[in-house]
Amino acid sequence: GAVVSQHPSWVICKSGTSVKIECRSLDFQATTMFWYRQFPKQSLMLMATSNEGSKATYEQGVEKDKFLINHASLTLSTLTVTSAHPEDSSFYICSARDQVAGGYNEQFFGPGTRLTVL
Amino acid sequence: AQSVTQLGSHVSVSEGALVLLRCNYSSSVPPYLFWYVQYPNQGLQLLLKYTTGATLVKGINGFEAEFKKSETSFHLTKPSAHMSDAAEYFCAVSSPLSGNTPLVFGKGTRLSVIA
Repeated sequence: GAVVSQHPSWVICKSGTSVKIECRSLDFQATTMFWYRQFPKQSLMLMATSNEGSKATYEQGVEKDKFLINHASLTLSTLTVTSAHPEDSSFYICSARDQVAGGYNEQFFGPGTRLTVL
Repeated sequence: AQSVTQLGSHVSVSEGALVLLRCNYSSSVPPYLFWYVQYPNQGLQLLLKYTTGATLVKGINGFEAEFKKSETSFHLTKPSAHMSDAAEYFCAVSSPLSGNTPLVFGKGTRLSVIA
């Protein structure tokens, strides 16, 4: 099946710094990527939908100026957590959709990035 | 809007016993349904999915699920639990009407397997 990678797999940063997380589709082109956030022992909550070459669509309650999403190519989307604070500590998971003409477009998930803000 | 409800945040079974994880969905149109498994500090792994066709779907690791429209359910089962099945399981729903609709997840069910 299709592979989605994330980098880094974990990151620790100081409060006030910015952190960039990369999401890549390794063997397919993804016009749409999704970013999810997962708090400990909770489900995945959709943060935003990212379409290649256009602005991301954010879910209600997600600050677009804090969580900057860029989808500059068909294989790469980035999530930048700006001025991170301890409450931003979470597990961030990206997902990429494989476009199949006339068929079902499956969503493939990356392995996740554990962000800890001190 | 679509949603899924997973009954039971925690299920505990003995090794070798039947596993049953419940999922009910809400959707105005016949949905696409999925089960994912997540091991600690890892991403999601697709166990199985229902899109169209046969309502009994077989997945990896011996799991299967049956789409029951009349009951709006998509329960996950496995005849005999193994210790390695201990993990978090998520049911998810997607709309077939739009290719860009993201998956919506249930709250998850943590499966414990007792030796």
